[in-house]
Amino acid sequence: AQSVTQLDSQVPVFEEAPVELRCNYSSSVSVYLFWYVQYPNQGLQLLLKYLSGSTLVESINGFEAEFNKSQTSFHLRKPSVHISDTAEYFCAVSDSPGGSYIPTFGRGTSLIVHP
Amino acid sequence: NAGVTQTPKFRILKIGQSMTLQCTQDMNHNYMYWYRQDPGMGLKLIYYSVGAGITDKGEVPNGYNVSRSTTEDFPLRLELAAPSQTSVYFCASSLSGGSEKLFFGSGTQLSVL
Repeated sequence: AQSVTQLDSQVPVFEEAPVELRCNYSSSVSVYLFWYVQYPNQGLQLLLKYLSGSTLVESINGFEAEFNKSQTSFHLRKPSVHISDTAEYFCAVSDSPGGSYIPTFGRGTSLIVHP
Repeated sequence: NAGVTQTPKFRILKIGQSMTLQCTQDMNHNYMYWYRQDPGMGLKLIYYSVGAGITDKGEVPNGYNVSRSTTEDFPLRLELAAPSQTSVYFCASSLSGGSEKLFFGSGTQLSVL
């Protein structure tokens, strides 16, 4: 069965500083990986995803994540955060063909950006 | 497109009462899901459906029931509400499983007192 571990429940950071949100997964088959963001009082929305090909994927608002198969990780990074990035971030994994196809979510990491 | 619509947004139930959380999507998605979100626990899958007439249990199905009579609708039923069901409930849909992203509703905040 697949599982996702987000090691940090909360990450405080100052505005314009870099940030990394960690995500590790386990699965017995090849996987698809996702990062979702949840702003206060809203549902989740997709930030970026890795399906295949280049291991580095980017979002339109400056976030990037790198798939590392040997370390089974998919950490999310941003070189310079903004106050508006304050939100809950969820890593998710879904098995590729041969697996369950149903996504499993991590516990979430609360990113708090201070001025 | 409205996307995924959930009703109600808020509800307070007494222990033992029953209710149905409504979820509808207008994207002709095959897959639909119900998750509950508890603080610090992330999202836990309650039930999911891969198409009309097909449903299956997720990680935490006890105390809940679902049906999927149409592609658009996927209601979640709580028969005998318990305080442990106090949570925020999210409905989501996707075109298929695996590589497809999920579209989420705005959530239902449920309190059982």
